[in-house]
Amino acid sequence: KAGVTQTPRYLIKTRGQQVTLSCSPISGHRSVSWYQQTPGQGLQFLFEYFSETQRNKGNFPGRFSGRQFSNSRSEMNVSTLELGDSALYLCASSLPWSIGNEQFFGPGTRLTVL
Amino acid sequence: QQQVKQSPQSLIVQKGGISIINCAYENTAFDYFPWYQQFPGKGPALLIAIRPDVSEKKEGRFTISFNKSAKQFSLHIMDSQPGDSATYFCAASMETSYDKVIFGPGTSLSVIP
Repeated sequence: KAGVTQTPRYLIKTRGQQVTLSCSPISGHRSVSWYQQTPGQGLQFLFEYFSETQRNKGNFPGRFSGRQFSNSRSEMNVSTLELGDSALYLCASSLPWSIGNEQFFGPGTRLTVL
Repeated sequence: QQQVKQSPQSLIVQKGGISIINCAYENTAFDYFPWYQQFPGKGPALLIAIRPDVSEKKEGRFTISFNKSAKQFSLHIMDSQPGDSATYFCAASMETSYDKVIFGPGTSLSVIP
């Protein structure tokens, strides 16, 4: 069974630009969550999608947005990039309706903002 | 109240020794406590998890101890091996939003020969 895949793996952008990251969950997983990982703040929850609907949202500005498609693939978008957005962005997928369901993480997209 | 605290920030253990990582939480609505292991260049992977209705869970060399009244839980790695060298995250979530996982800041474990 293929794991969670994220593209691209590395990305370099400049301040003010926007970026779109992609995540393909494990086949059969319908829930996709996004996290930002930085040395200073650790792993922070961005948002979670299930059946094309955002179910949960973390405390990030509106510049961070996401969506999920009917095949459960998800994208996240960051507009007007700031230097502080440099981070590893992780996507995780899980089966729905399970108590304490395990989240399977992808390898992440390393975003560098110059 | 959503925060999960974790200590120590880094840990060096001799091969064969016991590694202990401690975590604490405030929100009593949390009812699922997973531990994740992350190697460099990889995403976190679930190691072991516990619910507050049990005080201990063991899987191989990994044991979670849970103290509900103190709102604390810890990971013990017995017979630590160099291959256990990684960053460990404790985490918490609640039944109403299991996919919103709150992570601790992480512990970098180095197991030296």
